[in-house]
Amino acid sequence: ELKVEQNPLFLSMQEGKNYTIYCNYSTTSDRLYWYRQDPGKSLESLFVLLSNGAVKQEGRLMASLDTKARLSTLHITAAVHDLSATYFCAVERKGTASKLTFGTGTRLQVTL
Amino acid sequence: NAGVTQTPKFRILKIGQSMTLQCTQDMNHNYMYWYRQDPGMGLKLIYYSVGAGITDKGEVPNGYNVSRSTTEDFPLRLELAAPSQTSVYFCASSSGQDWEKLFFGSGTQLSVL
Repeated sequence: ELKVEQNPLFLSMQEGKNYTIYCNYSTTSDRLYWYRQDPGKSLESLFVLLSNGAVKQEGRLMASLDTKARLSTLHITAAVHDLSATYFCAVERKGTASKLTFGTGTRLQVTL
Repeated sequence: NAGVTQTPKFRILKIGQSMTLQCTQDMNHNYMYWYRQDPGMGLKLIYYSVGAGITDKGEVPNGYNVSRSTTEDFPLRLELAAPSQTSVYFCASSSGQDWEKLFFGSGTQLSVL
C-alpha cells in the first residue's frame, strides 16, 4: 500500500523567511504532484515532477524530486502572506489510471 | 471555460437519506475521479472511471455508487447517508495521457446529521 507523509503538518513563518516542506512516500512512484488549496476552495496544481532529479520553480516556490530517497521537497523562498494556504503532495504510480495518493497536507501560515 | 462542474455546492442530509452528487466535464476527458476530503486531511479516492461504461473502486468506496453512461458525466450516489460521510467531495478529470494533470471541480460540502 502506497503511503505518503508530509511534514510539517503546520508551519507558521514570518514574511521574508525561507522554509522547506517535505514529502516522503513508501513505494516506487512515477509522478509526484504538488497542489495548493486555499480555505474552502478546490485544489490548484502547482507542479508535476516526472523523474529523478527533476526541479521546477514558479515564483517563490521550488519543487524537487529524489526518487531514490522517495522524497520530494517544496522550498519556499522569502515567503509572502499570499503564500498562506495548505499544500499537498500527491503520488501517482504508473499504470494506475492516474489515481493519486495524497499526503495529509501542510498548512502554511505566513505572518506579517 | 467550464472545466469540471460539480453540483450542488452545499447539502445537508439526514441520516438514512440518499442523494446524488453531479459532476460533468467539457474537456472530453476519459478519466474521471471522485475524492473525499475530511477536515484537516488529504484527499482519498472513492471511485474512478477510465471511460464511459467502466468504473472501479478506489480506496474508500463503501456507501457509494457511481455510473458512467457518457464521457461527460460521472455522478456519485450516496445511499443511506451516515454521519461518517460528512466530508467535502471533489470530482476530477484527466485525459489519461502521459504527464497530464488532474483538473478538479470546486467541491461539494456535505453534512449528514
